[in-house]
Amino acid sequence: EAGVVQSPRYKIIEKKQPVAFWCNPISGHNTLYWYLQNLGQGPELLIRYENEEAVDDSQLPKDRFSAERLKGVDSTLKIQPAELGDSAVYLCASSRGQLSDTQYFGPGTRLTVL
Amino acid sequence: AQSVTQLDSQVPVFEEAPVELRCNYSSSVSVYLFWYVQYPNQGLQLLLKYLSGSTLVKGINGFEAEFNKSQTSFHLRKPSVHISDTAEYFCAVSDRQNDKIIFGKGTRLHILP
Repeated sequence: EAGVVQSPRYKIIEKKQPVAFWCNPISGHNTLYWYLQNLGQGPELLIRYENEEAVDDSQLPKDRFSAERLKGVDSTLKIQPAELGDSAVYLCASSRGQLSDTQYFGPGTRLTVL
Repeated sequence: AQSVTQLDSQVPVFEEAPVELRCNYSSSVSVYLFWYVQYPNQGLQLLLKYLSGSTLVKGINGFEAEFNKSQTSFHLRKPSVHISDTAEYFCAVSDRQNDKIIFGKGTRLHILP
């Protein structure tokens, strides 16, 4: 079984530029999560999808961040414009559907904003 | 509001010694509890989880954790650590009523030769 795939693995951009991250979850997993992980910190949930529906986006900074999960499979997280403080690792995870289910994490995208 | 506290940011321990990584949570409702591990340059993966039933949960690689409802704790233990256990360990709590999941800040386990 293929794991959660994320691309790119690394991204360096200048501030005020846009950036996008892509995630392909494990086949059959209905729930998809995007997390932000700062150095030395735990993952912080940005948005959770159940199929195509964003069921929890309360921590997503909507002035600059957006996400979509068309067709309930792949997902894209976008930042526009990026700020210096956005430098972090962006993690994608997927699970079968319930909060009791195990989350399977991708390797993450390390974003550096200069 | 729900919160997860991992009391130790780093824990050094000698190889073959026992270790306990502490996790406390605050929630007024029923919870699911998880420990995830992140090995160097790898993604997070599940060590073990508590959903219901027996309060002692066994996971992969010889780890176990005990759910203590009265102390709102879910400490992770291993009787004898190996150099390969060097990693960052994250405690996570799912709030069953509010449909939220929160991760702790992590504990970095250093295995000393």
